[in-house]
Amino acid sequence: GAGVSQSPSNKVTEKGKDVELRCDPISGHTALYWYRQSLGQGLEFLIYFQGNSAPDKSGLPSDRFSAERTGGSVSTLTIQRTQQEDSAVYLCASSLMIMRGTHEQYFGPGTRLTVT
Amino acid sequence: TQLLEQSPQFLSIQEGENLTVYCNSSSVFSSLQWYRQEPGEGPVLLVTVVTGGEVKKLKRLTFQFGDARKDSSLHITAAQPGDTGLYLCAGVSSGGSNYKLTFGKGTLLTVNP
Repeated sequence: GAGVSQSPSNKVTEKGKDVELRCDPISGHTALYWYRQSLGQGLEFLIYFQGNSAPDKSGLPSDRFSAERTGGSVSTLTIQRTQQEDSAVYLCASSLMIMRGTHEQYFGPGTRLTVT
Repeated sequence: TQLLEQSPQFLSIQEGENLTVYCNSSSVFSSLQWYRQEPGEGPVLLVTVVTGGEVKKLKRLTFQFGDARKDSSLHITAAQPGDTGLYLCAGVSSGGSNYKLTFGKGTLLTVNP
């Protein structure tokens, strides 16, 4: 079956421009996550969605970052006025909602963002 | 903030050798996961361990969760070039939200033919 897809796969933008990154989760997965992976830094949690609501936005690094999810499916991560330090791979993951235990997350291939 | 320290950071070995990768923390985790990530791809879940002292085997890979649930190890027997990749451990903190994973920085494994 189809996995998590992300677009674009690569994005080069000039400092100060806004960018939108898209994530299509696995059909039926109610939970959706965004992470950032920088060289040598591991995966950094950004935001968690359950359905269309985001109960945990604690990882968003600044108010230039925002995310939304519509129809309980597609999500977009928007970065306004991009800075060079925003350059990273942005990964999206989705999972089934389970009440107990650990959510097993399925990752997309990521969007590599380069801010010049 | 719960931190997961992985070691070694880089590992380059010859095909057929054995290796062990470690994931350590001063915090207790209710569960711990291991992922493998290949270039240009997202991480792929290999295993989840939830019980202190638990050992799980996946073909040539053996995963162990420490008795105190603060550490874990991944042992690969007779490594093959196809095992090359970035190995990440990730934990759910005990008493924390069950969706929130804390990731280590990873071990980059290269298996040379």
